[in-house]
Amino acid sequence: SQTIHQWPATLVQPVGSPLSLECTVEGTSNPNLYWYRQAAGRGLQLLFYSVGIGQISSEVPQNLSASRPQDRQFILSSKKLLLSDSGFYLCAWSDTNYGYTFGSGTRLTVV
Amino acid sequence: EDQVTQSPEALRLQEGESSSLNCSYTVSGLRGLFWYRQDPGKGPEFLFTLYSAGEEKEKERLKATLTKKESFLHITAPKPEDSATYLCAVLTGTASKLTFGTGTRLQVTL
Repeated sequence: SQTIHQWPATLVQPVGSPLSLECTVEGTSNPNLYWYRQAAGRGLQLLFYSVGIGQISSEVPQNLSASRPQDRQFILSSKKLLLSDSGFYLCAWSDTNYGYTFGSGTRLTVV
Repeated sequence: EDQVTQSPEALRLQEGESSSLNCSYTVSGLRGLFWYRQDPGKGPEFLFTLYSAGEEKEKERLKATLTKKESFLHITAPKPEDSATYLCAVLTGTASKLTFGTGTRLQVTL
């Protein structure tokens, strides 16, 4: 069966520090991969999606970037965090028309 | 631009008091409409997918329906464990992108 792993679960980082969040998927090949952010009181906002290795599409111009170095690995990064980067980050995968399966999320607090 | 609007934002029910959540959408080329449940601090959990107007799906106390402009999530005789945020999303485009509504926070009390 397919599983998705996302870590860390929580992270507190100072303003200006770098960020790296990792997501891996098991039990499937060539999945579509997604990074979403959920700010307090707001809906899920699509940040990046990838349909294959090295293929990244950005939905919202921002301080973040994404990379897909392997088929089932998706990384969200930042060189210098801003206070506005705080939020709940979710990774998800999809390989059909049957919607997404989400990871457990990372709560990022920038202080 | 695809838009999804959910109402109400928050709903408080007593145990056994049935109600409905609404999801209205404006999209081009709907490929599917999804309902998710999200508990605090966790990722959304898949509930239903609906593909065409008139379709209905059921799971325990939940029933989802779809028309050409909106979807309803009916909750029959809810229990406290049904308390969660319920998210609606539409699937469009070739990259299978989901656009989410802001959700309905449901609280069921004894």
